[in-house]
Amino acid sequence: RKEVEQDPGPFNVPEGATVAFNCTYSNSASQSFFWYRQDCRKEPKLLMSVYSSGNEDGRFTAQLNRASQYISLLIRDSKLSDSATYLCVVNPRSNDYKLSFGAGTTVTVRA
Amino acid sequence: DTAVSQTPKYLVTQMGNDKSIKCEQNLGHDTMYWYKQDSKKFLKIMFSYNNKELIINETVPNRFSPKSPDKAHLNLHINSLELGDSAVYFCASSISGGGAQYFGPGTRLLVL
Repeated sequence: RKEVEQDPGPFNVPEGATVAFNCTYSNSASQSFFWYRQDCRKEPKLLMSVYSSGNEDGRFTAQLNRASQYISLLIRDSKLSDSATYLCVVNPRSNDYKLSFGAGTTVTVRA
Repeated sequence: DTAVSQTPKYLVTQMGNDKSIKCEQNLGHDTMYWYKQDSKKFLKIMFSYNNKELIINETVPNRFSPKSPDKAHLNLHINSLELGDSAVYFCASSISGGGAQYFGPGTRLLVL
């Protein structure tokens, strides 16, 4: 089983819509969780860290469900500029330097 | 005021050549990484240095040799380039183990 699994999508949504997707992780001892976005032919960029209580950054909301071992990302009021691949990233061992990357979920927002 | 920078951005070369990629970060981080992203878009860790000490060395051909002259720089030298080395190589840095990593713009390597 892969350490981090994501639905590859694509999720095709109209502007203004809400889109949400999950990522599951295999190691119950995982400590740190992140969402990155990667645009075509660009580097991954940190979108947000995911905290136990869930957190929000503008139109983006991240949740962590430790019992079911998944994290989620919800994007409200989608913009064309939200079109990207969203990478779920997990630190499977506390203070380990090696992060586990999901293969990414592709989101396309259409006009 | 670029945080993590890499040179060159593009590298086109012939099989069998030797090439180097350089990375520098001005974030004051003490850990740096090299990743490979192939055509299937999956990011794979190759190496990591913490304060100039090698701490991650994944199963990578020994044609790849990283070098960290100081904690702000991490270079990657590749000997005897092969077609399968064609990929995008990303450098990243973090303040500590387990923390968020910040990526450079990538070096697109094409081996002909």
